[in-house]
Amino acid sequence: DTGVSQDPRHKITKRGQNVTFRCDPISEHNRLYWYRQTLGQGPEFLTYFQNEAQLEKSRLLSDRFSAERPKGSFSTLEIQRTEQGDSAMYLCASSFSILAGETQYFGPGTRLLVL
Amino acid sequence: SQQGEEDPQALSIQEGENATMNCSYKTSINNLQWYRQNSGRGLVHLILIRSNEREKHSGRLRVTLDTSKKSSSLLITASRAADTASYFCATDRNSGGGADGLTFGKGTHLIIQP
Repeated sequence: DTGVSQDPRHKITKRGQNVTFRCDPISEHNRLYWYRQTLGQGPEFLTYFQNEAQLEKSRLLSDRFSAERPKGSFSTLEIQRTEQGDSAMYLCASSFSILAGETQYFGPGTRLLVL
Repeated sequence: SQQGEEDPQALSIQEGENATMNCSYKTSINNLQWYRQNSGRGLVHLILIRSNEREKHSGRLRVTLDTSKKSSSLLITASRAADTASYFCATDRNSGGGADGLTFGKGTHLIIQP
C-alpha cells in the first residue's frame, strides 16, 4: 500500500500523559499536513510542513502540541500533558506541488481517547 | 476564519436516486475539493475543481463551482448503498501562492436506503 499511513490507529491514555503519533506520507510528496477532527465536525487544520520546514501553525495548536518532520519524510505529532478535550481523530495528509492548493491525500487517522 | 458550509447537514434517499449536496464559502479560493469519509475512517479525495473551472465530472460525480456566489455543488447520480458516507467540501485560501491547510465544512451525512 503506497498511501499515507498513520500509527497507531487508536490510542487510549490517561489525562496528563504524553502521546506521540506518527505519519508516513506518500513517498514523493513534499508537503505534509496535520488535522484534528472531533465528532460531527469537519477536520481542522493544525500545522503544515514543506519538506522538513514547519511553515504554518494554527492557533488551535497550543504549546502542548509539537510536530516535527526531521528528514522531510515521516512526521510526528506529540501532545504533552493530554487533556480530555484533546480526544479526537488526528489526521495526516500529504501532497506534492510547486504551487498551492493541490490535492491532499489523507491517512486513516489516529483516534485518541483521553480518560 | 473562512469555512465551507455544506447543505443539507443530512440527506436520506433511495438507492438509484440522485443526491445533491451544496457548499458555500466566504473568501476567494484557488480551488475547492470534495472528500468522502466513511464512519470513523480517513478521508477519500473525490474531485478537485479550480477557481477558473465551472464544472467537472468524474464517473458518477458532477461538481459545479460558482465563484460569484461562492458556492459549489456535488451531484452523485444513480446512488448506491456504498455511497453512504459523510461528504465534505474543502477550500484553500487564495494567499498568493502559499500552501495553506484546507478549511472544511461540517459535512453532509448521506444515507442511501436499499
